[in-house]
Amino acid sequence: GQQLNQSPQSMFIQEGEDVSMNCTSSSIFNTWLWYKQDPGEGPVLLIALYKAGELTSNGRLTAQFGITRKDSFLNISASIPSDVGIYFCAGRQLNAGGTSYGKLTFGQGTILTVHP
Amino acid sequence: NAGVTQTPKFQVLKTGQSMTLQCAQDMNHNSMYWYRQDPGMGLRLIYYSASEGTTDKGEVPNGYNVSRLNKREFSLRLESAAPSQTSVYFCASSGGNNQPQHFGDGTRLSIL
Repeated sequence: GQQLNQSPQSMFIQEGEDVSMNCTSSSIFNTWLWYKQDPGEGPVLLIALYKAGELTSNGRLTAQFGITRKDSFLNISASIPSDVGIYFCAGRQLNAGGTSYGKLTFGQGTILTVHP
Repeated sequence: NAGVTQTPKFQVLKTGQSMTLQCAQDMNHNSMYWYRQDPGMGLRLIYYSASEGTTDKGEVPNGYNVSRLNKREFSLRLESAAPSQTSVYFCASSGGNNQPQHFGDGTRLSIL
């Protein structure tokens, strides 16, 4: 199946630093989503992107839908200890009939560690 | 505001045993999904149900069956558990074709 390449795999940063991570694919996606997963819990939606070039913010988080529709990035500004977790990108493609039934392809995740 | 509820949260099985993982959502969503999460591999789709009464295979369906019992509930069954099925299983739901998916807290399954 389709794969998303998410990088970096892990990051160790100091509190207050900015963070950037991205996802790339050889295929076009129609929707990009960013999720965060805390230990022992399910992924929680952070930002959803629906149009190429779209730039959307959610507090200290900003995500962009790449112009080529093959990539997306997530930035976290002024990181705090509670930002620790695994961040996943996910993309959705439409099938030949113009539907997707909501199916997502996930990246491998970026493990973020924030040192106080 | 429960969202997506999965039971059980933890389970240990012996090889060859059967098990049904339960999932229910209270958001009136049409579509529901089952994923497995393994270290370094993100989430992989096992089966999905686009709407009540329909189910389809995802990326890794072998060894699993599903039932969309009604609009709220979507269960995942392992008929004969194998050690390779040791994983964390997540259920998710979404309101429509282009709506985000919302996840439960997972079932941690170990097969000895």
